[in-house]
Amino acid sequence: AQKVTQAQTEISVVEKEDVTLDCVYETRDTTYYLFWYKQPPSGELVFLIRRNSFDEQNEISGRYSWNFQKSTSSFNFTITASQVVDSAVYFCALSEGSYSGAGSYQLTFGKGTKLSVIP
Amino acid sequence: NAGVTQTPKFRILKIGQSMTLQCAQDMNHNYMYWYRQDPGMGLKLIYYSVGAGITDKGEVPNGYNVSRSTTEDFPLRLELAAPSQTSVYFCASSVATANTGELFFGEGSRLTVL
Repeated sequence: AQKVTQAQTEISVVEKEDVTLDCVYETRDTTYYLFWYKQPPSGELVFLIRRNSFDEQNEISGRYSWNFQKSTSSFNFTITASQVVDSAVYFCALSEGSYSGAGSYQLTFGKGTKLSVIP
Repeated sequence: NAGVTQTPKFRILKIGQSMTLQCAQDMNHNYMYWYRQDPGMGLKLIYYSVGAGITDKGEVPNGYNVSRSTTEDFPLRLELAAPSQTSVYFCASSVATANTGELFFGEGSRLTVL
């Protein structure tokens, strides 16, 4: 069965510090997809990134970067020079299988990491 | 840009009451989903739909029902509310299957069953 573990329940950093949110996943499939979503205080979840299991290239988008390592089953998320607007709950999620398989409709979410950026 | 709209945002129910959470999207997405989020937990899939007239169970479907008569609407019905259904409910939609595309979420509906 698939599983996503976000061991950090809450993290507090001072503005402008860098912070890394950890995500470890478990799956038996060779084809799978990993996601990060942000849930700001307003409540709705916002998509940040999707990676497939065949693409281990790290990705950078502005102050955000993601490190995907299949060898350690991890998909960590780093925010550089954090800002108060980054305060939110961040969820890592996993989806298994091919485009048309049953697993293609379901995301398995981790429990989330609450990030507080202090001014 | 409405996106995914959920109503109501807040509701208190008594045990045994019934209600429907409404969800509408204006992006012409085929795929729609209902998730629940319990405190300190991730989201769990209740039901999903791959198009009008087609629905299927997710991980935690017991106590809920859905219908999909149009592409736009995907209501979630609670028939006999129980305290275990106290949660925040999120509706989402996507243009492709969940594992290939981005999910667009509504703002959530906070339900309390007393």
